[in-house]
Amino acid sequence: DGGITQSPKYLFRKEGQNVTLSCEQNLNHDAMYWYRQDPGQGLRLIYYSQIVNDFQKGDIAEGYSVSREKKESFPLTVTSAQKNPTAFYLCASSKGRESAFMNTEAFFGQGTRLTVV
Amino acid sequence: SQQGEEDPQALSIQEGENATMNCSYKTSINNLQWYRQNSGRGLVHLILIRSNEREKHSGRLRVTLDTSKKSSSLLITASRAADTASYFCATVPYNTDKLIFGTGTRLQVFP
Repeated sequence: DGGITQSPKYLFRKEGQNVTLSCEQNLNHDAMYWYRQDPGQGLRLIYYSQIVNDFQKGDIAEGYSVSREKKESFPLTVTSAQKNPTAFYLCASSKGRESAFMNTEAFFGQGTRLTVV
Repeated sequence: SQQGEEDPQALSIQEGENATMNCSYKTSINNLQWYRQNSGRGLVHLILIRSNEREKHSGRLRVTLDTSKKSSSLLITASRAADTASYFCATVPYNTDKLIFGTGTRLQVFP
């Protein structure tokens, strides 16, 4: 089955720790995205990547880091510098830039709920 | 910053009624998309409308786009209890690779 997989579904972090959220896709998509969603709110863009070994900051990148070493994978690290990391994190992928100026839909994983304890 | 804002923030209707949600955005776009999110889940793509299109249909969904007013609307006809979810618009601002989401409309359809 083709799709996008996020793990783990739930994650608990102690204050001061870094944690890494996994996002893997087997859709052969070039573009991948990370979003943060707070309760009752919309999605805010953290980082995005259009191609392997390249990524750009979104609107709320402070306190987060990413890597794109493989086309299939786009892990997100929530660092201790992120002051309020408790949120629902969503990863998405799409065919991206090469597909007629982004005229394609994004596919989402089921999300990771991160809680700081 | 949010590119889009949905209106209303919340909407409650009876089964069989139509539901209309509006989205306003700030900058020129390549396309506008609508997504649905069931509580605590990922988003599912519903429909995409390109900047040179004015109206698009998919089943019970009808989307309009007015680029002069920087606004879009999503109409769900003959709503069902299963349509209960949050609905988001998303845009790809012109000359960017970003996919930016709005604030969402929470739709409740009562049986």
